[in-house]
Amino acid sequence: GAGVSQSPRYKVAKRGQDVALRCDPISGHVSLFWYQQALGQGPEFLTYFQNEAQLDKSGLPSDRFFAERPEGSVSTLKIQRTQQEDSAVYLCASSLRRWGTGSLSGGYTFGSGTRLTVV
Amino acid sequence: ELKVEQNPLFLSMQEGKNYTIYCNYSTTSDRLYWYRQDPGKSLESLFVLLSNGAVKQEGRLMASLDTKARLSTLHITAAVHDLSATYFCAVHARGTSGSRLTFGEGTQLTVNP
Repeated sequence: GAGVSQSPRYKVAKRGQDVALRCDPISGHVSLFWYQQALGQGPEFLTYFQNEAQLDKSGLPSDRFFAERPEGSVSTLKIQRTQQEDSAVYLCASSLRRWGTGSLSGGYTFGSGTRLTVV
Repeated sequence: ELKVEQNPLFLSMQEGKNYTIYCNYSTTSDRLYWYRQDPGKSLESLFVLLSNGAVKQEGRLMASLDTKARLSTLHITAAVHDLSATYFCAVHARGTSGSRLTFGEGTQLTVNP
């Protein structure tokens, strides 16, 4: 598609509920990233995929967070047993380039995000 | 651990005035980005700066990078109301495996008529 698409746009979950957030990157983009943005803060890195391989998941805050990109295109971020501190906007970004290969940086294109509220 | 600090965090200015937002980072970087974010919206890429002394300009915004000082600036010239938004700098640290960006806290800019 023309941009990075995320769904749902808004999600309200009861504490303890599992949620799944979807990211549809720009077609052909190799790299995909998830960021978490708390209210009034800058985005914080969660995880990175190169095609279907999850190369960096060091930013995931706990083992309740899980991300996958099984066919190297659409990605899902799953949060199990949601807690109030998980309330944030979850941003997905994609990039044409592979990182870490010495190639010139390409741009990142961010989606509009999913605003998760845990009540 | 890479730290990115922006200042000021809040900026209220009058239309027509000039001002500068500062972005300091703690380790060697091979690229620095500036983004704009409107309330409830995603991040819009403004500039990417790749080398020491790089300067880029778009309209009333100009960004520069001093890698020796580990400092980037975003200069606003003759501000207009449409520039009201939150501005983030984001840094990719050299040698980082993968590709994480580390963002500053953001500068919330309000331009008053």
